[in-house]
Amino acid sequence: EDQVTQSPEALRLQEGESSSLNCSYTVSGLRGLFWYRQDPGKGPEFLFTLYSAGEEKEKERLKATLTKKESFLHITAPKPEDSATYLCAVQGPFNTGGFKTIFGAGTRLFVKA
Amino acid sequence: NAGVTQTPKFRILKIGQSMTLQCTQDMNHNYMYWYRQDPGMGLKLIYYSVGAGITDKGEVPNGYNVSRSTTEDFPLRLELAAPSQTSVYFCASSYSKTGGRNEQFFGPGTRLTVL
Repeated sequence: EDQVTQSPEALRLQEGESSSLNCSYTVSGLRGLFWYRQDPGKGPEFLFTLYSAGEEKEKERLKATLTKKESFLHITAPKPEDSATYLCAVQGPFNTGGFKTIFGAGTRLFVKA
Repeated sequence: NAGVTQTPKFRILKIGQSMTLQCTQDMNHNYMYWYRQDPGMGLKLIYYSVGAGITDKGEVPNGYNVSRSTTEDFPLRLELAAPSQTSVYFCASSYSKTGGRNEQFFGPGTRLTVL
């Protein structure tokens, strides 16, 4: 069964304390893996797309990496404004053609000043 | 550009009532999607569209209907609302020539409660 599992469910960091979020996936024929940030009461906001194992993307304090089974979102020296829920999503083919997007439940990140 | 807009922002329905959630995008995207997000759960795909006149079911389509008569609009219809449809609904859009591999842009969501 295709699925996406994110860990931990919640993460509390002190400002400047680097850490990583994990996204494990099982999907046949991965077309892409996406990271989104979601603030309370708002829609998800796109961060990164990764298409193949070994690929890495960076943006400010965030760096996303991809292997054949999982992706990591590394947060370096986080600030309180990085507090949000981080969602991982994968795209793979439907059995009947077309494609599907499967989201993980997210990791809630809290960064304390 | 306004991006993806959704109306209403909040709505309370009684069991058995019907309503339409509106979604409009002004980015000329060919793909559009409807998701629902329940507390502590990931977004679940309800329906999606690859272009005007073309729609298909997602993961959780039961109790919903969609139409796509224009590139810009993708309304979601709830018939005979049930408490299980209490959720936050997000509309999203993306542009792709390669089967939807590009990132999705999300609207602000509609919070629906069915009592």
